[in-house]
Amino acid sequence: DIVMTQTPLSSPVTLGQPASISCRSSQSLVHSDGNTYLSWLQQRPGQPPRLLIYKISNRFSGVPDRFSGSGAGTDFTLKISRVEAEDVGVYYCMQATQFPLFTFGPGTKVDIK
Amino acid sequence: EVQLVESGGGLIQPGGSLRLSCAASGFTVSSNYMSWVRQAPGKGLEWVSVIYSGGSTYYADSVKGRFTISRDNSKNTLYLQMNSLRAEDTAVYYCAGGGYGSGSFDYWGQGTLVTVSS
Repeated sequence: DIVMTQTPLSSPVTLGQPASISCRSSQSLVHSDGNTYLSWLQQRPGQPPRLLIYKISNRFSGVPDRFSGSGAGTDFTLKISRVEAEDVGVYYCMQATQFPLFTFGPGTKVDIK
Repeated sequence: EVQLVESGGGLIQPGGSLRLSCAASGFTVSSNYMSWVRQAPGKGLEWVSVIYSGGSTYYADSVKGRFTISRDNSKNTLYLQMNSLRAEDTAVYYCAGGGYGSGSFDYWGQGTLVTVSS
């Protein structure tokens, strides 16, 4: 099974400054159909998860453009260009390439310094 | 607007059974894939089960043989039948709707808490 790891696990950030989270998979996430099913989800305190980014770099509907995703193969990154107070929460990467299993990373907690 | 509303959670003794429901609106359960994802207290997300539009179902090893996912197309509702419950099944259970375009979980419910304890 594919194992997802994230670094850092905790990230104190300054408002208005950028933040970056890395996600690594134990196997390539390139699917036989040519797509890479790597997503990023945000979970604010006390809230359900919310989809931010799908297939590495596509922002889901309504997601602010300060969020961006990049990467390929086994290494992926979520970047927040300028952190706002509402961005506090836990961020998860998730793979859906290894049909029919879905695997989440351990989560990265983002809070304000 | 898409809404997924879970119900059916509660306190149950070890070995007991519970059925969770997820009523969908603005999103057709039978045309997409639907999953249950759980989160133990203070922990991360764990995928539990999925049902695809064609009806195929799959489970995490941790629940295989004990949980059953199903749907009622006429009610646009997803279910999770949970049998032989264990303390380690204690978690908030989220219903998540996936889109084949995104290959992810586009929509999430608010979750329902299942507590397995004597």
